[in-house]
Amino acid sequence: SAVISQKPSRDICQRGTSLTIQCQVDSQVTMMFWYRQQPGQSLTLIATANQGSEATYESGFVIDKFPISRPNLTFSTLTVSNMSPEDSSIYLCSVRGGDREYEQYFGPGTRLTVT
Amino acid sequence: GIQVEQSPPDLILQEGANSTLRCNFSDSVNNLQWFHQNPWGQLINLFYIPSGTKQNGRLSATTVATERYSLLYISSSQTTDSGVYFCAVELDFGNEKLTFGTGTRLTIIP
Repeated sequence: SAVISQKPSRDICQRGTSLTIQCQVDSQVTMMFWYRQQPGQSLTLIATANQGSEATYESGFVIDKFPISRPNLTFSTLTVSNMSPEDSSIYLCSVRGGDREYEQYFGPGTRLTVT
Repeated sequence: GIQVEQSPPDLILQEGANSTLRCNFSDSVNNLQWFHQNPWGQLINLFYIPSGTKQNGRLSATTVATERYSLLYISSSQTTDSGVYFCAVELDFGNEKLTFGTGTRLTIIP
């Protein structure tokens, strides 16, 4: 299975600011995803990060608020823009398409608190 | 969209007990996975099981795709089994996106 790292692991930010989260995978993968997990809730898909093209966003998530980059097959970033306290969540990077094609794996997450 | 319901929502057991967690889904799927989220938030992939039965140590899982449910069995529970268990599914002829269930929070008491 792929080994996934995320930076930062946690952060406390002021409202109105932006934070960029990095996701690095130790092998090339076909698909990379970004999820949000609000306190005590399940996971919600924000977007699929496509290499070399714009990300595909799920209903309720927009590029202006959550811009995503994916410059190559092992790296992606998610920016949370103009933050409000409602953005306080765990943000998780996930991958699929390594040696076990259909299985999905998750990074350790970034715990974001917005004050 | 597809609905994924898990039961029970919460389960508290003594160490050594066995448990069965259920995942019901509302549409045909071609991908189903079980995950364990430990108390530190890390999600671990337990099983990729779109159909049939698999076993890994004290854990096993069964998916009956025609009846739209999956079961996760945990035998001889240990305190390290505590956490939240999620099933996640991908629609048949879908777009390779997993939809997560509501989760079951399992607490194992020593």
